[in-house]
Formats: sequence, C-alpha cells, structure tokens
Amino acid sequence: QQPVQSPQAVILREGEDAVINCSSSKALYSVHWYRQKHGEAPVFLMILLKGGEQKGHEKISASFNEKKQQSSLYLTASQLSYSGTYFCGTEERGTYKYIFGTGTRLKVLA
Amino acid sequence: DAGITQSPRHKVTETGTPVTLRCHQTENHRYMYWYRQDPGHGLRLIHYSYGVKDTDKGEVSDGYSVSRSKTEDFLLTLESATSSQTSVYFCATHGQSNEKLFFGSGTQLSVL
Repeated sequence: QQPVQSPQAVILREGEDAVINCSSSKALYSVHWYRQKHGEAPVFLMILLKGGEQKGHEKISASFNEKKQQSSLYLTASQLSYSGTYFCGTEERGTYKYIFGTGTRLKVLA
Repeated sequence: DAGITQSPRHKVTETGTPVTLRCHQTENHRYMYWYRQDPGHGLRLIHYSYGVKDTDKGEVSDGYSVSRSKTEDFLLTLESATSSQTSVYFCATHGQSNEKLFFGSGTQLSVL
C-alpha cells in the first residue's frame, strides 16, 4: 500500500513556507524525497536513512520519525522554482519493492 | 546523469494489440522498476527486478508481464492492450538497496 501524503495540494505565495507529510502503514527503513515537474521524470531531492535524521540544504529540509513511520519535507521561503509534485519514496523492508507516496502538488505564485 | 533510456518515447496503439516497452541502462544497476503514472494516482509500481531473471509483481501488475534476460534491459509487455493502460510509464533503476532511483524519461502510451 502506498504511503499517504498530506496535503494533496497546496498553493503558496513566493516567500511562504510549506510542510509536506508522508505517512506509512508499514515500517520505514529509509525515506527519499523527489520533485517532479510537469512532463518530466521525478528528480531526487534527499535521502533519510536513520530515524530522527534531518537532512537538507538551504531552504529545503526533511525529517524522519522511524517510530511514527512518518517523514516530513520542509520548504522555507518558497520560490517559483519549487512548484511541482513532491513524492516520498521508500523501499519496503524485507523486499526489493520500491514504492512512492500518493504525491503532493505544490504551486508557488508570484 | 545515469544512462537510463526508455523506448519508444511515444506510442499510439489499438485495443487488443501487444505492446512492449523497453528500458535500457548502462549503469550495471541490479534493481530495475516499471511504474505507471496517471492523474490523481501518482507513481504506481507495476513490476520490478532484483537481478537477471529475478522479477516480481508490484501493486498494479494485472495485464502486464516483464522479462529481464540481461542486466541492462528490462522489458514491459502488455499482452493485449486496453484503454485503461493508457498512461505514462517510467522505468527506474538503482544499484544498491536504499540508494536513490534513477529515472528514464518516460513513455507516453495511448491505447485507442
């Protein structure tokens, strides 16, 4: 079953912040985050390997709560270029199956 | 960028015809995946492979089969295409468990 992301969609003004959540019904071993622009393939943003680990650069960061089986992506002071659909991705423990969350459409307006 | 090539990039076919999509990689990656992407459904796993001749089903495998006879190629076959299989198909690979995925450019398939 796909991890569930929330919100499904969000509209921001430039400079505003956003949080995207990814919640799984199964234990998460690691979480990856991707962004996809319309008509393109997803692009990798970051990986979180350990529970509690926070990673990021500049204005995009993420956290991973292994106990709660959740990860969150933080976008700070959003820019027009942040628009797109964000996906969390994870490899199911004990399998080689790699699945994606349901996706969050983010649009940043000038 | 990783060398992941999907072919064809676009295809229009008729209901009931067989269709094969090809994913070719030059990275010697062990793991390969086929996803379909439809509006409102995100990326859904069709089939995946964890080695030559080692494949397994994903969440939406009905109506699809795959083959991997060599490391670099992973084929997705629609035995008898249906209109519900109209979608964008992405191939992805990675070399080690928990490594990020590398994506092909996608195949737009239309079944009329």
